[in-house]
Amino acid sequence: DAGVIQSPRHEVTEMGQEVTLRCKPISGHDYLFWYRQTMMRGLELLIYFNNNVPIDDSGMPEDRFSAKMPNASFSTLKIQPSEPRDSAVYFCASSPSGGIGNTQYFGPGTRLTVL
Amino acid sequence: AQTVTQSQPEMSVQEAETVTLSCTYDTSESDYYLFWYKQPPSRQMILVIRQEAYKQQNATENRFSVNFQKAAKSFSLKISDSQLGDAAMYFCAYRFRAGGTSYGKLTFGQGTILTVHP
Repeated sequence: DAGVIQSPRHEVTEMGQEVTLRCKPISGHDYLFWYRQTMMRGLELLIYFNNNVPIDDSGMPEDRFSAKMPNASFSTLKIQPSEPRDSAVYFCASSPSGGIGNTQYFGPGTRLTVL
Repeated sequence: AQTVTQSQPEMSVQEAETVTLSCTYDTSESDYYLFWYKQPPSRQMILVIRQEAYKQQNATENRFSVNFQKAAKSFSLKISDSQLGDAAMYFCAYRFRAGGTSYGKLTFGQGTILTVHP
């Protein structure tokens, strides 16, 4: 199994630019999660999907952030316009609906730097 | 709201020795899951071990074991025969066992940095 795939691994952009992060979950997993990790706030859940439908987006910081899941094998997290405070590592994770604890499996993360 | 607390920002251990990382949590629920994740310098979040709250028996995975004390809301991780590759940030996490198609939010602690000395 290839695991959760994220791209790009690193992104450096300038303030005001649009940023799109991509995720391919593990095949067969029903749930997909987007997290953000910063030194100040630790790991925060931004949004999660079940069967491609957004279920809880209460963690999305503001309207500049949006996430989509057009099909079971692809999701995007978009920031427009980006700001320096958005600099963080963004993780995508996926989980099956069954199994022990519906364990979440994480991708390698995307390190975003906004100058 | 559920909270997870890791009171040890940093820990260190000698190679081949044993170390215990602490975690406490606060919840009013009775059915939930607990996890330990490892994050090495590569940043990859790797599942180490998981525990179902309704199980009395402590989970074990090779050199990793937990001490789950439900009444005390404590979930510590013991690493035996520590290896250099165990050096990482370790996160404790809690997830409520929601019903139906709901999915309880995974709440993480602040993390503990583990250093392994040769």
